[in-house]
Amino acid sequence: QSVLTQPPSVSAAPGQKVTISCSGSSSNIGNNYVSWYQQLPGTDPKLLIYDSNERPSGIPDRFSGSKSGTSATLGITGLQTGDEADYYCGTWDNSLSAYVFGTGTKVTVL
Amino acid sequence: QVQLVQSGAEVKKPGASVKVSCKASGYTFTNYAMHWVRQAPGQRLEWMGWINRGNPYTRYSRKFQGRVTITRDTSATTAYMELSRLKSEDTAVYYCARDGGPHWFLDFWGQGTLVTVSS
Repeated sequence: QSVLTQPPSVSAAPGQKVTISCSGSSSNIGNNYVSWYQQLPGTDPKLLIYDSNERPSGIPDRFSGSKSGTSATLGITGLQTGDEADYYCGTWDNSLSAYVFGTGTKVTVL
Repeated sequence: QVQLVQSGAEVKKPGASVKVSCKASGYTFTNYAMHWVRQAPGQRLEWMGWINRGNPYTRYSRKFQGRVTITRDTSATTAYMELSRLKSEDTAVYYCARDGGPHWFLDFWGQGTLVTVSS
């Protein structure tokens, strides 16, 4: 079972904003940084956010991350058709001594 | 530029073992740890384990403990993941991914290797 819970899907019209939640516990999100990954259909995952709110070079500022307590959030503004993908949160879990991924969220642009 | 190039697709019978390689280039191999992640068809990402950047210390997911072995050849700048006693449920795409450190994030990924387990 996954220790990080995400909504299965979110959707919005082009240009709108979506947020994706990632709910964990004190053994993972509560005491570690969170990263977010985008997986376009048929491709390998791509790092979008690291250290909870930092963007790697080349990632547009339409993507943002935040963390509060044992939850984290990914925000995507100015939604584009090219943003249709699966999104995963990830972090280290101190109790499991393992890296854990969220359940994944499919973003659909209406 | 950082590149992780994995070995090609494999077809294995149940009970066999598979060894996937991940050739790294564009950075100092021993300065970064390496993770292995798999994704069964239509399923979420699943972490398998990790090999440290300095000494070759490894940590494995409890799910795969006893069946998975992650190694590396620093002279060849290549990491390896071997999974034994394969079952049909092990059919998946297997990825290597570099650990960007120090706060646990996977910054560069290989292209993936499809392993099919079928009798």
